[in-house]
Amino acid sequence: AQKITQTQPGMFVQEKEAVTLDCTYDTSDQSYGLFWYKQPSSGEMIFLIYQGSYDEQNATEGRYSLNFQKARKSANLVISASQLGDSAMYFCAMRELLSGNTGKLIFGQGTTLQVKP
Amino acid sequence: KAGVTQTPRYLIKTRGQQVTLSCSPISGHRSVSWYQQTPGQGLQFLFEYFSETQRNKGNFPGRFSGRQFSNSRSEMNVSTLELGDSALYLCASSFGGAGAEAFFGQGTRLTVV
Repeated sequence: AQKITQTQPGMFVQEKEAVTLDCTYDTSDQSYGLFWYKQPSSGEMIFLIYQGSYDEQNATEGRYSLNFQKARKSANLVISASQLGDSAMYFCAMRELLSGNTGKLIFGQGTTLQVKP
Repeated sequence: KAGVTQTPRYLIKTRGQQVTLSCSPISGHRSVSWYQQTPGQGLQFLFEYFSETQRNKGNFPGRFSGRQFSNSRSEMNVSTLELGDSALYLCASSFGGAGAEAFFGQGTRLTVV
């Protein structure tokens, strides 16, 4: 079965500094997708970034980048120049393939990030 | 472009009652998935609907059901509520392929008393 592991329950970072949130995954599939979501206290899950298993380049979206190391099965999220509004829970997720061309998301337990002014 | 809309945002129900939650996906998206989020179990997949058909179902009892309408809007129903059903219920919309990015709504926070 597929599994996502986030080993950092909580992280602190100083405003304007970079921070890396760890994510490791376990799958026997050759083709898979990895996602990062941000969940502020309001509850909404905000899509941040996606990496496909066959993508050769690490994904980037503005201040977010995904450090994808396939051999190590890790997909760490890097947030550059942290802002106070980045304080939230962050979830790493993987698409588990189901019947046909369908799938469901498997989530890690999340990392709470607090940005200090 | 409007995002995923879930209603209501908050609900308080009594044990034994039933509840219906609604999700309107992003225009053009035909897939709607539902997830339950609790502090103890984290985020768990409930089911997915595509073009009015349930394609996949998670490991939840039959008290949890859903449906999707021709305009892709989806409803989720929980009957005979239990205290353990208290959770944030999140709906995600996508185009539907396995690699498609999923966009979530703000969720419905259900409290069962």
